[in-house]
Amino acid sequence: DTEVTQTPKHLVMGMTNKKSLKCEQHMGHRAMYWYKQKAKKPPELMFVYSYEKLSINESVPSRFSPECPNSSLLNLHLHALQPEDSALYLCASSPRGGRGVGQSTDTQYFGPGTRLTVL
Amino acid sequence: DQQVKQNSPSLSVQEGRISILNCDYTNSMFDYFLWYKKYPAEGPTFLISISSIKDKNEDGRFTVFLNKSAKHLSLHIVPSQPGDSAVYFCAASEGFGNEKLTFGTGTRLTIIP
Repeated sequence: DTEVTQTPKHLVMGMTNKKSLKCEQHMGHRAMYWYKQKAKKPPELMFVYSYEKLSINESVPSRFSPECPNSSLLNLHLHALQPEDSALYLCASSPRGGRGVGQSTDTQYFGPGTRLTVL
Repeated sequence: DQQVKQNSPSLSVQEGRISILNCDYTNSMFDYFLWYKKYPAEGPTFLISISSIKDKNEDGRFTVFLNKSAKHLSLHIVPSQPGDSAVYFCAASEGFGNEKLTFGTGTRLTIIP
């Protein structure tokens, strides 16, 4: 299994709803990532989990809450979102979860994304 | 502040010819660079990478060149094929133990049959 899967593919939610995005990989990767991508913009990093611990939070508002229940699974819990949060949410994973001296940067492998619309 | 820039939003190339996609960066701490390809409704797919200790890396039809003094890298695709039509992102990272990738704004490549 060499892919990252994301569910759902599309999600429409109201500003008072609570929903979750799910990401799964079975490649034995030890780091997982959430990115947000707005139309015609590059992906922007939100969170990084390395060895199931949150290692990077790019000052993301608390209405986005990540969770890493195990090394294969990554969730993003959504609550009280705003219409401007509508975007493509991408999950990625990488083998090592950070590089040591002499190592190359981990290559990140992306899922297909969840297209989120907040009404 | 966009630390990684792709100044050409779009590029059209005849099938069989060479496609050259460019990327500039401003952060001198970046030391590893990657190119990703993205089709509509799919996530980015890793293509090729280069470390700052090299100036060229080749993989099949894809070659990445790095000019550290100019803070510039380019991706060459030769020969270009219709399946290469996609959006191409360059990305960069800095420092050991740093998992953060900074992406460029992307270039939409269209291969004309």
